[in-house]
Amino acid sequence: LAKTTQPISMDSYEGQEVNITCSHNNIATNDYITWYQQFPSQGPRFIIQGYKTKVTNEVASLFIPADRKSSTLSLPRVSLSDTAVYYCLVGVGSGNTGKLIFGQGTTLQVKP
Amino acid sequence: SAVISQKPSRDICQRGTSLTIQCQVDSQVTMMFWYRQQPGQSLTLIATANQGSEATYESGFVIDKFPISRPNLTFSTLTVSNMSPEDSSIYLCSVRTGPGELFFGEGSRLTVL
Repeated sequence: LAKTTQPISMDSYEGQEVNITCSHNNIATNDYITWYQQFPSQGPRFIIQGYKTKVTNEVASLFIPADRKSSTLSLPRVSLSDTAVYYCLVGVGSGNTGKLIFGQGTTLQVKP
Repeated sequence: SAVISQKPSRDICQRGTSLTIQCQVDSQVTMMFWYRQQPGQSLTLIATANQGSEATYESGFVIDKFPISRPNLTFSTLTVSNMSPEDSSIYLCSVRTGPGELFFGEGSRLTVL
């Protein structure tokens, strides 16, 4: 399984755009890249998933360069409620099988 | 999507006892996963639970300590056996419904005295 590396923590202010980059040098051809958000005392929640180029949903954007060895989660105009831990996962893309391993995650602190 | 219910949500247990955590999913799923999250740490995968077969454990976790049952496609249990304070943790059940999409229960917070 590909290992992921993220910054341990980041600070931001309300209204700013936040970009969290994840390194996954050993990503396999059929691996997808998925980001999760976790608030205290809750299970992680799926944010966004991608394979290549750019993916956007109502919550975030995910940028993946052509070599797929890294990815960047972009959160537009963060608010205090975006304070959470963000995890980047790389896992097997075929079907619904295969385990997913969590890295250390990035603790994002949004300040007023 | 999937809705996952875990019981108990929290418990305080005595050293040497065992606790069984239940995980109920609102739809049939092939694979269920049990994770542990120690205070301030990331999630660590304990095992993968497949219906009708033995669970597959990750390095550092053994069946005698964490027996798992998976009697059908919507239910699983994880038992934490012969508990010690080091087992104090949040235990999370999850299911995979897509290439990278995991759904999690709210977790079971276990404190061992």
